[in-house]
Amino acid sequence: KAGVTQTPRYLIKTRGQQVTLSCSPISGHRSVSWYQQTPGQGLQFLFEYFSETQRNKGNFPGRFSGRQFSNSRSEMNVSTLELGDSALYLCASSPAPLAGGVGELFFGEGSRLTVL
Amino acid sequence: LAKTTQPISMDSYEGQEVNITCSHNNIATNDYITWYQQFPSQGPRFIIQGYKTKVTNEVASLFIPADRKSSTLSLPRVSLSDTAVYYCLVGDLISSGSARQLTFGSGTQLTVLP
Repeated sequence: KAGVTQTPRYLIKTRGQQVTLSCSPISGHRSVSWYQQTPGQGLQFLFEYFSETQRNKGNFPGRFSGRQFSNSRSEMNVSTLELGDSALYLCASSPAPLAGGVGELFFGEGSRLTVL
Repeated sequence: LAKTTQPISMDSYEGQEVNITCSHNNIATNDYITWYQQFPSQGPRFIIQGYKTKVTNEVASLFIPADRKSSTLSLPRVSLSDTAVYYCLVGDLISSGSARQLTFGSGTQLTVLP
């Protein structure tokens, strides 16, 4: 069974630009969640989508948005990029939506974004 | 708020058993405890999950005392390839205004020495 696929793996943008990252979950998984990882802040939860609906959202500004398609693939968009948005962006999939007892999350290898 | 606390770093030698403890004093009744391993520039990888007592799989054991306020990940006979960051995650969607978010601990950098 193929794992979680994230594209692109690496990208460089300049301040003010926008970026779209893609995540293809494991076949049959309907929950996709996104995370930002930086050396200073660690792993931070961005949002979760399940069946094309955003179910949970972390404390990030509105510049960070996402969506999920009917095939469960998800995209994350960051507009008006800032230097501080440089990070590894990870997505994870799971069969069920995130709940009080979070089950196993299957992570992709991430998209490394550098903002100059 | 099931905040987790882990040691920042640990060193060990090849062949030794390593125990990493995570504190989660405010764990909720329905929460499971999950551990992940992460290598540089890769996504975290699931190691083990448990609710209470002891869980063992082919790579690790997880010990959870009766009060569930802490958990210990045990890695038997570590090798150099076990050098990684280990995260403890307590399933907890925290409400913050209208946002409900999942929180990982800061992780423990395990370095295995030859």
